[in-house]
Amino acid sequence: GAGVSQSPSNKVTEKGKDVELRCDPISGHTALYWYRQSLGQGLEFLIYFQGNSAPDKSGLPSDRFSAERTGGSVSTLTIQRTQQEDSAVYLCASSPGHAYNEQFFGPGTRLTVL
Amino acid sequence: GQQVMQIPQYQHVQEGEDFTTYCNSSTTLSNIQWYKQRPGGHPVFLIQLVKSGEVKKQKRLTFQFGEAKKNSSLHITATQTTDVGTYFCALNTDKLIFGTGTRLQVFP
Repeated sequence: GAGVSQSPSNKVTEKGKDVELRCDPISGHTALYWYRQSLGQGLEFLIYFQGNSAPDKSGLPSDRFSAERTGGSVSTLTIQRTQQEDSAVYLCASSPGHAYNEQFFGPGTRLTVL
Repeated sequence: GQQVMQIPQYQHVQEGEDFTTYCNSSTTLSNIQWYKQRPGGHPVFLIQLVKSGEVKKQKRLTFQFGEAKKNSSLHITATQTTDVGTYFCALNTDKLIFGTGTRLQVFP
């Protein structure tokens, strides 16, 4: 079946511009996650959605970052007034939502802020 | 919050040699997951360990969870070039808390 998809695959933007990154999770998965991976680094948790519960935003690095999930499916991560340090690969993952489930990752969006 | 340390950061081996990466925490872990990320790719789930002292095998890969549930290891026997990538351990607390990863390079 279809896996997690993300768009765009690559995004180049100028410092100060806003960007939107999209994630389509696996159908039926109630949990959706956003992570960030800087070049050669590990993965940093950003935000987590589970069903209709309030999202866990504890990993968002600043108030320039926000995310929403509409209809319990597609999610959009928005970065306002981008900075060069925002350059990274943004990975989305989904899972069936129960504790200890594996997470299925999308291919990521590579964001470059000039 | 909980942190998970992973060593070594890099490992270069000759094809056919064994490889081990270690994951350590100062606090007791409820579970540990392992992921593999190929160069240019995204993390792919390998396995999850939950029980104290648990050992699981997948072909040439052996995963262990420490008796005190504070550490875990991944051992690859007789590495192949297809094993190249970065191996991450991760604590699943709903969100994943990833270790720093071990980058494995295998020379033919």
